Amino acid sequence: EPEVTQTPSHQVTQMGQEVILRCVPISNHLYFYWYRQILGQKVEFLVSFYNNEISEKSEIFDDQFSVERPDGSNFTLKIRSTKLEDSAMYFCASSEATGTNYGYTFGSGTRLTVV
Amino acid sequence: AQKITQTQPGMFVQEKEAVTLDCTYDTSDQSYGLFWYKQPSSGEMIFLIYQGSYDEQNATEGRYSLNFQKARKSANLVISASQLGDSAMYFCAMRENSGYSTLTFGKGTMLLVSP
Repeated sequence: EPEVTQTPSHQVTQMGQEVILRCVPISNHLYFYWYRQILGQKVEFLVSFYNNEISEKSEIFDDQFSVERPDGSNFTLKIRSTKLEDSAMYFCASSEATGTNYGYTFGSGTRLTVV
Repeated sequence: AQKITQTQPGMFVQEKEAVTLDCTYDTSDQSYGLFWYKQPSSGEMIFLIYQGSYDEQNATEGRYSLNFQKARKSANLVISASQLGDSAMYFCAMRENSGYSTLTFGKGTMLLVSP
């Protein structure tokens, strides 16, 4: 079964450092997403991406965050200068379409710890 | 207002018994989709079951069924014959018809299955 692949599974970084989280969505999917889950809390939407541009973003997704699809397969989330409160599980997801009957396929997540 | 409400932070069930996890939602869209995801302690998000707003039958997938009551705006997950491996966090989520229709999650219910 096709899957969304995320690397690395764990990342520890020092406060103020830049991190790049990587994702390979399912190949025939057109819509890509990043979500985050702070430990013990709900899963929160960060950004959606379609046709090589951001289609929607939440208030969490400020200037410290950026997304990119540098080639035909990878989808990355960059945090420019990490803060302690960026520590969370980050999920990449992809979807074939935006219809209400299309769910997301999630990756296994990257656990980011900022120290 | 919360779009997805899961009122049970934790639930306990004995192995082989059935359990119902509650979910209520709030939307003004006529077309929407409701999803349940399972998150084991390893962290990944696993899709379980989907119910469309126009579906007349309740969705079923193996031991999972969705008790969909549209007038009450509830979409409760029923797990029959619970297994130890069902111990996990369960999230209800909704995808609406508006915009790029991102997936909105509830806060989750932690289910513990005891022998």
